[in-house]
Amino acid sequence: DAMVIQNPRYQVTQFGKPVTLSCSQTLNHNVMYWYQQKSSQAPKLLFHYYDKDFNNEADTPDNFQSRRPNTSFCFLDIRSPGLGDAAMYLCATRGWGDGTEAFFGQGTRLTVV
Amino acid sequence: GIQVEQSPPDLILQEGANSTLRCNFSDSVNNLQWFHQNPWGQLINLFYIPSGTKQNGRLSATTVATERYSLLYISSSQTTDSGVYFCAALFSGNTPLVFGKGTRLSVIA
Repeated sequence: DAMVIQNPRYQVTQFGKPVTLSCSQTLNHNVMYWYQQKSSQAPKLLFHYYDKDFNNEADTPDNFQSRRPNTSFCFLDIRSPGLGDAAMYLCATRGWGDGTEAFFGQGTRLTVV
Repeated sequence: GIQVEQSPPDLILQEGANSTLRCNFSDSVNNLQWFHQNPWGQLINLFYIPSGTKQNGRLSATTVATERYSLLYISSSQTTDSGVYFCAALFSGNTPLVFGKGTRLSVIA
């Protein structure tokens, strides 16, 4: 009974070939986050949604886009992956309100060849 | 600016030893969570603890919100406790979850 599910778990893509990572949740949470985590570093926020309200971090490259067609699903699109985009991508959700707990999916490990 | 700082950055323990990991945060928080990142990279929720003390088996956590810190205690450590421990804070309103840099724990038999 996983609550936040990311697909695929592992993704290999070619340099410059667009790739989409997906996240789905069964918690009916309004807030969703995408984080990028490189080896031996803390997760770095790329985007977050408060319901349909989209928030882009100032230093997120233009190469990264996100879509949230409904409450349950969220997608991360990398338009032209570079070698530096190889990382673990983590999706998280939490309920509305200041003091709610966040839950993470298993992550998608992206390799760029 | 908003900051979350963890210490120590690295910790090596003999199996059976106890340890304390610390998380300092720069402002009052609405949410403070501790996570363990498993070898496959998933962040596992350990505690949701904006204030007070909680215990779960060999692990416990205390957050003193007025003094802006949280502690994670691991007792009788096991090799399976190895990995990276992160704390993350939600500061106010609709701000995102801010992570510390983590503590890498290695428990050796």
